[in-house]
Amino acid sequence: EDQVTQSPEALRLQEGESSSLNCSYTVSGLRGLFWYRQDPGKGPEFLFTLYSAGEEKEKERLKATLTKKESFLHITAPKPEDSATYLCAVSGSARQLTFGSGTQLTVLP
Amino acid sequence: KAGVTQTPRYLIKTRGQQVTLSCSPISGHRSVSWYQQTPGQGLQFLFEYFSETQRNKGNFPGRFSGRQFSNSRSEMNVSTLELGDSALYLCASSQGTGIGETQYFGPGTRLLVL
Repeated sequence: EDQVTQSPEALRLQEGESSSLNCSYTVSGLRGLFWYRQDPGKGPEFLFTLYSAGEEKEKERLKATLTKKESFLHITAPKPEDSATYLCAVSGSARQLTFGSGTQLTVLP
Repeated sequence: KAGVTQTPRYLIKTRGQQVTLSCSPISGHRSVSWYQQTPGQGLQFLFEYFSETQRNKGNFPGRFSGRQFSNSRSEMNVSTLELGDSALYLCASSQGTGIGETQYFGPGTRLLVL
């Protein structure tokens, strides 16, 4: 059974204070690891897909990295508009996504 | 390109009733997946449809069902509603041609069961 654990559950940062979110996973045959951002009352917004260990992707202040056991979402110099819940999900041998419980990020001005 | 759309956005039902939710995928996407999101359980997979066939199913009771039409639009139905069915129901679409494809989510339907 695929499992995803995200940490921390909640993170409060000052504007400009860089940090990282962790996603540890157990999956039989990783087909893809996905990062989404979710604002309250809205559907998850796609950020990144990673397929193999060593892969990295960047978008504005966000950078996602992947190892064989975990993924990190690095946030550089965050702004208040980066406040959201960040979700990690994996796709294994089945086509469904297995999600972690998310990290709720708050960036204070 | 338009995103995934879901209707209605909000629903209030009472226990024992049934409900039907609708999802229109991104144009050209043939796979539609449904997820339930609750504060306690997070996001959980319900089922996936491709070319009008259910291709994968999560661990939910038979009260939860779905279907897909020839234009890839999908509906899910929940019969005999229970209080615990209150949740945000999310639809996601992908091209459907390979495992590990990115899924794009709609805004969700918020269901409240009283």
